Amino acid sequence: DVKVTQSSRYLVKRTGEKVFLECVQDMDHENMFWYRQDPGLGLRLIYFSYDVKMKEKGDIPEGYSVSREKKERFSLILESASTNQTSMYLCASSRDRSNYGYTFGSGTRLTVV
Amino acid sequence: AQSVTQPDIHITVSEGASLELRCNYSYGATPYLFWYVQSPGQGLQLLLKYFSGDTLVQGIKGFEAEFKRSQSSFNLRKPSVHWSDAAEYFCAVGMDSNYQLIWGAGTKLIIKP
Repeated sequence: DVKVTQSSRYLVKRTGEKVFLECVQDMDHENMFWYRQDPGLGLRLIYFSYDVKMKEKGDIPEGYSVSREKKERFSLILESASTNQTSMYLCASSRDRSNYGYTFGSGTRLTVV
Repeated sequence: AQSVTQPDIHITVSEGASLELRCNYSYGATPYLFWYVQSPGQGLQLLLKYFSGDTLVQGIKGFEAEFKRSQSSFNLRKPSVHWSDAAEYFCAVGMDSNYQLIWGAGTKLIIKP
């Protein structure tokens, strides 16, 4: 089975801190995605990457950046955490874009206080 | 603009009863349609997908969905729900312009014993 592993299930950070959310997939997938999930809003795409060192903005990139130095790892960075970034963050990967075969991690619930 | 609407935020169903979760989409081209399930504390798992062909699609865990182009709908059904089906269900549309998914807000399914 493809595994997408997010390093933390729960995270509590202070306002203004720099926060790193890590995501690792073990099946050599080309494509990786970061979403945030909020009640009543579904999933919103923050950033995605179709190749190593490549990144593209999604629908809500403000306040976030990403890094993909290796194929298996896609990191989401909150440059200066704010309370409105309290959310569930989901990482996903896929092999073939046109097949939409997304595999999701279990999520990181981030609370910014 | 493309969008996905899940009109029901919550649905409560008795165990053993039938289930239908509604999904309507707005998309100009041929839609690629998906249903995902998120169990408590878990990531999202693909239940079923429609790309083309037979408009009645069978998925995992006994779920099925029917694509109705005239109604722009892709409703999810199950003839008899089990307590383990309690989860949040997300409908999504794939855009062939950029191979990204547009997500509905989700429907939380509550099972009454």
